[in-house]
Order: sequence, then C-alpha cells, then structure tokens
Amino acid sequence: ETGVTQTPRHLVMGMTNKKSLKCEQHLGHNAMYWYKQSAKKPLELMFVYNFKEQTENNSVPSRFSPECPNSSHLFLHLHTLQPEDSALYLCASSHGSGSWVETQYFGPGTRLLVL
Amino acid sequence: AQTVTQSQPEMSVQEAETVTLSCTYDTSENNYYLFWYKQPPSRQMILVIRQEAYKQQNATENRFSVNFQKAAKSFSLKISDSQLGDTAMYFCAFIPNTQGGSEKLVFGKGTKLTVNP
Repeated sequence: ETGVTQTPRHLVMGMTNKKSLKCEQHLGHNAMYWYKQSAKKPLELMFVYNFKEQTENNSVPSRFSPECPNSSHLFLHLHTLQPEDSALYLCASSHGSGSWVETQYFGPGTRLLVL
Repeated sequence: AQTVTQSQPEMSVQEAETVTLSCTYDTSENNYYLFWYKQPPSRQMILVIRQEAYKQQNATENRFSVNFQKAAKSFSLKISDSQLGDTAMYFCAFIPNTQGGSEKLVFGKGTKLTVNP
C-alpha cells in the first residue's frame, strides 16, 4: 500500500449519470493529482492541486470537475460522460514542498466504464 | 514536446534471470529527473527507482538498477534475479521541470513484463 486510497474501485455509469470519484492520502502531502490511464496510451495528467489550489488543468473537458476541499482529499466529479472516457483514473500525491523534485505516490485507481 | 518512448510493448523472462527494459526520452532541458514505476496486476503504481540527471552514477535499488546515458537520452532498467512478483507493467517517466512542488510527470506507454516460472 502506498498510503493513497481511492473509492470506488470500479464504476459503471450511463452517459446521463452524475458520479464522483474520491481520493484520500494519509501521507501528509500537500500536492494531489488526477491521471487518466487508457489502454495503449501513456498516462495523461488531468489536474494538479498544490496546497488546495488548482495549479494545472491539462485541457480537460468540463464534464470532469475536480474538487480539493483539503490537502488530504481530492474528488473528481463526473457528469454527461462519453464512452471514450472509460479508463482507469489514478490519483497521486506528493509532498508539495516546492523545494525539490518529489516522488509521486499513486492510489490503486478507479476503473470507470461509461455505457 | 517532451516525450518518453518505451520500444518494447511486452517482454518475458525466466525466473532468476536478468532482463533489461528500454526507455528513451526527448528533451531540451539539461536538468531533469527520471523514474521507473511498476504497476502490478492489482494496479497500484509504485516507484521502483529514480535518477537525477545531474548525477553520473547510475541509481540502484536492490535487484533493480538503471543504465543512464545522458548524451543518448537513454534510461534502461535492469532487473536481476527476476522473481514472479516482478510481473507487471513498467512505466518510464520523466520530469522536465526542475522546479519543486507539483510536478508534471511525462510517462511512456509502458512495457508489460512477464516472469515465467
């Protein structure tokens, strides 16, 4: 275990549904990330939060809406998704100190299927 | 654009043998960091090893070592005495930005390694 948990582990939703993915880190980190992992493609960075402030939005469609209420929790709110959004969504965290390049620690991911 | 290329989509090795996974990257930066991550079938991505570009000495972590060739922009991973638990997807990753804090990791597509008994 890396100290980063994600729920749910599996999710099936229709295109008109609204759902949320949750990530929690128990490492005392201040930076949190959302990645999308699709088959046969490199991991794609979606969002970065540092000290609860969003510092990166990698041209992600607005049907994905992140929320970071505190440094330990990160949510990804999903609405009106498309079948091509089906993927493994990974959360990660790092220290976020700003003084050195840090290792990111990943959660187990949420496998999302959009029907 | 910063890119990471892993030219071997799949590899297999016999238990106890040695295997090398290839990774090349493209950057104009002089200072950067390189990582190998492992993603077992349970899907939790874990760090295997990291290398700072300014260090000439290759990083090692127990059975895992790298061959870092900065001029060639090559960063291969060698796994010695392969074990069944090494079966996983292996991702090479690169951070082009030397600033601390939030880091934009650039990943390769991965190499699926199977260790056979």
